[in-house]
Amino acid sequence: DVKVTQSSRYLVKRTGEKVFLECVQDMDHENMFWYRQDPGLGLRLIYFSYDVKMKEKGDIPEGYSVSREKKERFSLILESASTNQTSMYLCASSPPGLATNNEQFFGPGTRLTVL
Amino acid sequence: KQEVTQIPAALSVPEGENLVLNCSFTDSAIYNLQWFRQDPGKGLTSLLLIQSSQREQTSGRLNASLDKSSGRSTLYIAASQPGDSATYLCAVVDGSYQLTFGKGTKLSVIP
Repeated sequence: DVKVTQSSRYLVKRTGEKVFLECVQDMDHENMFWYRQDPGLGLRLIYFSYDVKMKEKGDIPEGYSVSREKKERFSLILESASTNQTSMYLCASSPPGLATNNEQFFGPGTRLTVL
Repeated sequence: KQEVTQIPAALSVPEGENLVLNCSFTDSAIYNLQWFRQDPGKGLTSLLLIQSSQREQTSGRLNASLDKSSGRSTLYIAASQPGDSATYLCAVVDGSYQLTFGKGTKLSVIP
């Protein structure tokens, strides 16, 4: 079974702090994704990566950056956390390319609260 | 830009009833469609993936259909159980790699 793990289930940070959210997958997937989920807005893509050291902006990249130094690990960075970044953050991975049978697998999520 | 809509937003049914959840999308040029389940405060569990060339997929009591030309998918749940209570999300992949999600249908199955 594909396993996607996230470093924390719950995180509380202060405004202005630098925050790192870590995601690790064990299926040798090339594609990895970071989404945030908010009530009434659904899931929105922040960034994705289709290979080591490669990254692409999603729909809402402002205020975030990412790092992909190893294939299995994809980090989301909040350079200076703000209260409007309080949200549920979900990481996902999938095999490479745009094959019709490519399935995305999700981690358990990190609920981040910025005070 | 792809948009995905799920109707209804919430549904409450008695245990044992068969039910249908609906999903529609605006751009029919999709690679696949996935149905997910999400329990409160948890991540997403993939239920079914339908490739663009397929019409339906089945897993246990779940059956998902896809009509790509009309931009619609349905998730049929047979003989619903209280353990089926969750939010069900559909999402499509088009040429942009990413999944575009609907806002989900919150299902409550009453014992």
